[in-house]
Amino acid sequence: EAGVAQSPRYKIIEKRQSVAFWCNPISGHATLYWYQQILGQGPKLLIQFQNNGVVDDSQLPKDRFSAERLKGVDSTLKIQPAKLEDSAVYLCASSLRLDQSTDTQYFGPGTRLTVL
Amino acid sequence: ILNVEQSPQSLHVQEGDSTNFTCSFPSSNFYALHWYRWETAKSPEALFVMTLNGDEKKKGRISATLNTKEGYSYLYIKGSQPEDSATYLCAFIYNFNKFYFGSGTKLNVKP
Repeated sequence: EAGVAQSPRYKIIEKRQSVAFWCNPISGHATLYWYQQILGQGPKLLIQFQNNGVVDDSQLPKDRFSAERLKGVDSTLKIQPAKLEDSAVYLCASSLRLDQSTDTQYFGPGTRLTVL
Repeated sequence: ILNVEQSPQSLHVQEGDSTNFTCSFPSSNFYALHWYRWETAKSPEALFVMTLNGDEKKKGRISATLNTKEGYSYLYIKGSQPEDSATYLCAFIYNFNKFYFGSGTKLNVKP
């Protein structure tokens, strides 16, 4: 079974530029998560999808971040424009069932973003 | 935003030592607690999903306990090996779908 795929693995941009990350979850997984992990901190949930609907985006900075999950499969996360403090690892995860609290999350390798 | 604390922040042990670390979380509105292992340059890997007070889970040399009334979980590693070197993260699930991760315990096992 293929795991969660993410691309790119690394991205370096200058502040005020735009960037997009892509995630392809495990086939058949209903729930998809995007996390931001800043060095020295734990992952912070940005947005959670169930199929193609948003369950929770309360910690997504909506003035600059956007995400979509078209057709309930793969997903993109965009930052526009980027700030220095957006430098982080962006992790995508998926889980099989709709019961997010008890279902195992499977993580992708992450995208390391550096904003100069 | 809730406070999930992990201690210690980092730990250096010798191969063969047993070790344990703590995840502390608010004791109200508990739904579940997840433990993950994150090795450098790899994806975080799920270890345990714990839901009931008094739960004990085991996977090889790694085990975990849960106390929801006092708001803590312990992760134990028996006979640490160099391949156990990783960051161990806990995630507290609050109100069904709110996930809060701790900042992790970084374990380094010296051969």
